[in-house]
Formats: sequence, structure tokens, C-alpha cells
Amino acid sequence: QQQVKQSPQSLIVQKGGISIINCAYENTAFDYFPWYQQFPGKGPALLIAIRPDVSEKKEGRFTISFNKSAKQFSLHIMDSQPGDSATYFCAASMNTGFQKLVFGTGTRLLVSP
Amino acid sequence: DAGVIQSPRHEVTEMGQEVTLRCKPISGHNSLFWYRQTMMRGLELLIYFNNNVPIDDSGMPEDRFSAKMPNASFSTLKIQPSEPRDSAVYFCASTTDWGIGNQPQHFGDGTRLSIL
Repeated sequence: QQQVKQSPQSLIVQKGGISIINCAYENTAFDYFPWYQQFPGKGPALLIAIRPDVSEKKEGRFTISFNKSAKQFSLHIMDSQPGDSATYFCAASMNTGFQKLVFGTGTRLLVSP
Repeated sequence: DAGVIQSPRHEVTEMGQEVTLRCKPISGHNSLFWYRQTMMRGLELLIYFNNNVPIDDSGMPEDRFSAKMPNASFSTLKIQPSEPRDSAVYFCASTTDWGIGNQPQHFGDGTRLSIL
């Protein structure tokens, strides 16, 4: 119940295309859903996050879509650029007194020029 | 502002040796996390400190692992004795969050540990 399932494992998108990464969870106590971006040799960095009281959040080219009833959320990268090539992790946490993140397994995105 | 600083960036040592990983959190952050990243298990939380006190160490794999935070600007993760299966990238992260709101966790660039 503590798992967050992420797909696909890898993704190749042409420059200018839309990248879509999906995640699913079981634990309805999760109340915070961030996405992290990781470049090779670097630590993960927060990209965008959403709470379950909204169905969508957009920041620039990045959008989170959240479906509470289906217990799914996804990251959409519009107008994908080669600089977006990285590994993306979804995560979830519940209010246990601190932000205890459970991470998905990651999606390696390659945006071809 | 300086981010989370980890040292060393790379460590190669032989099985059975003691390994100490170091972390300097962002100044003013009161929460510190140690994570381990492997291909098989992904990113796993090992231990969480708040105001220098260990709050949740349920992710620490076994007694060979220990972590300390003697002050607000320094933490260590120690493995003794080390084993090949401990090979991974270890990350430290810090934040100001404490149950209210959700401030981002800021990660260091990690220590790549190889146990031969």
C-alpha cells in the first residue's frame, strides 16, 4: 500500500512533442504528490507538486493531472526540449508529522533533437 | 546560497572497511534526510532528523548503518563493516518543513559508494 507505481520506465520523445509519465498509488492517506527531476550525477530536484484538492496544476511547460477517484496522477511536459532529458520521479507522502516521501521507480526521458 | 553539500562525491573501498559519508544541510533548514538510490530499489529513505534529533530510522537497513547529527550544520552516515551490497548512491536532503505545508526537499549531489 505504500508503493507508488510509475510508468513507463523509459520514454523517447521528439523535440516539440508531449511527454507523459504516469503514476498510481493505493494509499488514500497520501496528501502530497511531487515530481522530481534528476540529471546524471546530480541529486533529484523538485519540479512541480500537487495536493489532492485540485485536479490540475500547471507551471510553464509542466502540468500535473490528478485523478483522485482513480488514484492516479501524471506529468505532462509540453513542447519537450532536449534539455528536458533526465530521469523523472513521482512521489507521494502523507502527513505523518514530516514529509516522508515514497518515490516511484523513475522514468528516463530522452528528447531527441 | 550554497545548496546541500555532500562529501566525498565518490568512495571506493574494500569490503569490511568503515565508510563515513558527510552532509552539510542548507543553512536554516531544520529537517535532514538520508536516502539511498539503487537500480533495484530506487530511492529509499534511510533516516530523518528534525532539529538534530533522529525521528524516523525505520529505513536503516541493519545495525551496520548508523547516522548522527551532532549540530544543525553537519550529519554523518556510517557503515561498519561495509559489504558489496551497500554499493549505491547516497543522498542527503534538507528542508524547513515540519508537518505544516510541504516545502521542497533540497538534495545534495550524492556520494557514489562502491564496496569491492
